[in-house]
Amino acid sequence: DAGVIQSPRHEVTEMGQEVTLRCKPISGHDYLFWYRQTMMRGLELLIYFNNNVPIDDSGMPEDRFSAKMPNASFSTLKIQPSEPRDSAVYFCASSLGISYRQFFGPGTRLTVL
Amino acid sequence: SQQGEEDPQALSIQEGENATMNCSYKTSINNLQWYRQNSGRGLVHLILIRSNEREKHSGRLRVTLDTSKKSSSLLITASRAADTASYFCATDVSGDMRFGAGTRLTVKP
Repeated sequence: DAGVIQSPRHEVTEMGQEVTLRCKPISGHDYLFWYRQTMMRGLELLIYFNNNVPIDDSGMPEDRFSAKMPNASFSTLKIQPSEPRDSAVYFCASSLGISYRQFFGPGTRLTVL
Repeated sequence: SQQGEEDPQALSIQEGENATMNCSYKTSINNLQWYRQNSGRGLVHLILIRSNEREKHSGRLRVTLDTSKKSSSLLITASRAADTASYFCATDVSGDMRFGAGTRLTVKP
């Protein structure tokens, strides 16, 4: 298995632009997680899905952030409009169950100028 | 918000020495997991210890869990330069996974 796949690996955009991050979980995993990592705040859970359904989005910072999972093999995290403080590394992870080990993707490094 | 807190924040040792990292948390947990992150990479799962377990081993890794003290430790024996990375504990509270700020381990050759 190729593991969790994220794209793009790097994204540089200007403030106010829409940003879409993509994730393909490991086949057969029923949980998908989106995290954000910064030096100041560490690793934060943004939202997670179970069988494509959002379960807990309490970590989503504000309405500018939205996440979807249209099918079991694809999820997106969208930021619209983006702001410089959104600059971070965004990770996607998947697992076979809610309390099982998580497999992380390589991350997307987002820079908002 | 973070639940687990690692200690120390940074640790520098010589190759061959043992490295011990600690994690403290606040609320009751289902399990506790340790992950490693190399610079610029995603997190890699190391070991999971359930709330009813006290100790677990995996190769050169030894994890202990003391639920009465709400703390866990990760011991890496006979460290290698390749062990240089950040190590995170993650606490599972009814499915809500919270990561600590991590310990940055540097193993000098």
